Amino acid sequence: ILNVEQSPQSLHVQEGDSTNFTCSFPSSNFYALHWYRWETAKSPEALFVMTLNGDEKKKGRISATLNTKEGYSYLYIKGSQPEDSATYLCASITGGGNKLTFGTGTQLKVEL
Amino acid sequence: DAGITQSPRHKVTETGTPVTLRCHQTENHRYMYWYRQDPGHGLRLIHYSYGVKDTDKGEVSDGYSVSRSKTEDFLLTLESATSSQTSVYFCAISAGLAGLNEQFFGPGTRLTVL
Repeated sequence: ILNVEQSPQSLHVQEGDSTNFTCSFPSSNFYALHWYRWETAKSPEALFVMTLNGDEKKKGRISATLNTKEGYSYLYIKGSQPEDSATYLCASITGGGNKLTFGTGTQLKVEL
Repeated sequence: DAGITQSPRHKVTETGTPVTLRCHQTENHRYMYWYRQDPGHGLRLIHYSYGVKDTDKGEVSDGYSVSRSKTEDFLLTLESATSSQTSVYFCAISAGLAGLNEQFFGPGTRLTVL
């Protein structure tokens, strides 16, 4: 993996469903992985900053895991609500630098 | 909300004209970033600053220059705007190194180059 890739590109779920997305990133010289939530007509907001292999973070119904050896992170949303509808971005940094490389995001729509 | 403002919020200009976008923060954060957002590309780093008068290039820096003469202000200049620079521009700030610190984003500037 040379770039940051996210899948799926978009997702429609029903209210109450649990869902998850994948972020794949270069595992060589890994430094950090960020997750952001981006609602339409707003600015991206940080969810998690993760650095350690095996790291798990949680914020309310949203959680994330990190596997730096194989270069992937999962974002989970438990019991999706309409207000969870947004684009979820991940971004990685390699080599200890200060430059985030973003994926193109997973667009989630939660329907009633 | 982090105190980040961008000006202007919308601008339409013509090819070949200079354009300057301003990012202003009230958080006294050391690091400031300029990104552009285009369909199919996500957010791409243009330049960033790690202190007053200290800047570095990002992934898509060609055609852009930046300046930071005060902690609170980070300017992005398009010396001679081209249609390929039509985009939404986001400024971001962080208290420390990007590896360990979340970034806070401004509201964005929509730039159209005709």
